[in-house]
Amino acid sequence: AQRVTQPEKLLSVFKGAPVELKCNYSYSGSPELFWYVQYSRQRLQLLLRHISRESIKGFTADLNKGETSFHLKKPFAQEEDSAMYYCALSAGTALIFGKGTTLSVSS
Amino acid sequence: EAGVAQSPRYKIIEKRQSVAFWCNPISGHATLYWYQQILGQGPKLLIQFQNNGVVDDSQLPKDRFSAERLKGVDSTLKIQPAKLEDSAVYLCASSLRDRRRGPGNTIYFGEGSWLTVV
Repeated sequence: AQRVTQPEKLLSVFKGAPVELKCNYSYSGSPELFWYVQYSRQRLQLLLRHISRESIKGFTADLNKGETSFHLKKPFAQEEDSAMYYCALSAGTALIFGKGTTLSVSS
Repeated sequence: EAGVAQSPRYKIIEKRQSVAFWCNPISGHATLYWYQQILGQGPKLLIQFQNNGVVDDSQLPKDRFSAERLKGVDSTLKIQPAKLEDSAVYLCASSLRDRRRGPGNTIYFGEGSWLTVV
C-alpha cells in the first residue's frame, strides 16, 4: 500500500539548533517525494521536491530509497521556521500526504 | 498571479443539511483537485479533474458527496446530507496539467473552506 509516515506530531527546538523532520514512505514504484509547509494562517505551499535537489530557506531533503525515507533537514533553525510540515508522495495522479509534524522554534 | 480562490471560508451546518463549496483555480490550470483534511490528519484526495473530466474519484463518498467542473474552470463540491464526520477543511488545489513528473507542475492550494457539522 502507498503510505507516508511522519512519526513525530510535534518537534520543539531552540533557535540555532539543527532540525530533522522525519518522513518514511511505502511505495512499490519509483517515487516522487515532496515537502509542503503551512505557516500560521496561510495556505499549504510547496517547500521542496526531491527531483529538484535544491535548498529552500536552508532546508534540504535527500531521498534514501534503501531506507525509504525523505527526511527534511536544516542545520540552524530560525523562529520563522515554526509551521506545520507535511511530507507527500506522488502516486501517479495524486499526492498522498503524511499526518504532518508541527515544528516549534523558540528563542 | 492570483492564487486558488475558495468560498465560503467558514460554514457551520446541522447534520443532514446540505452545503456547497466553490473553487476558482489559477488561470490556465487544467487540473483541479479537492482534498479533505480532518483535524490532526494530512489532506486526503477526494476527486481530481482534468479540464472538465474526472480523473480520480475513488475516495469520494458518492452517496453524499458530488463535484462538478463545468466548462473546465470553476468547480463546486457538494455534501448532501452532511454527517458529523464530514467536519473538516476542504482544500481546492490546481496545477498546470495533470500529475506528470517535473518541477514545472507544482500543485497550488487554496486557503480552504472550514466546515463544522453540528
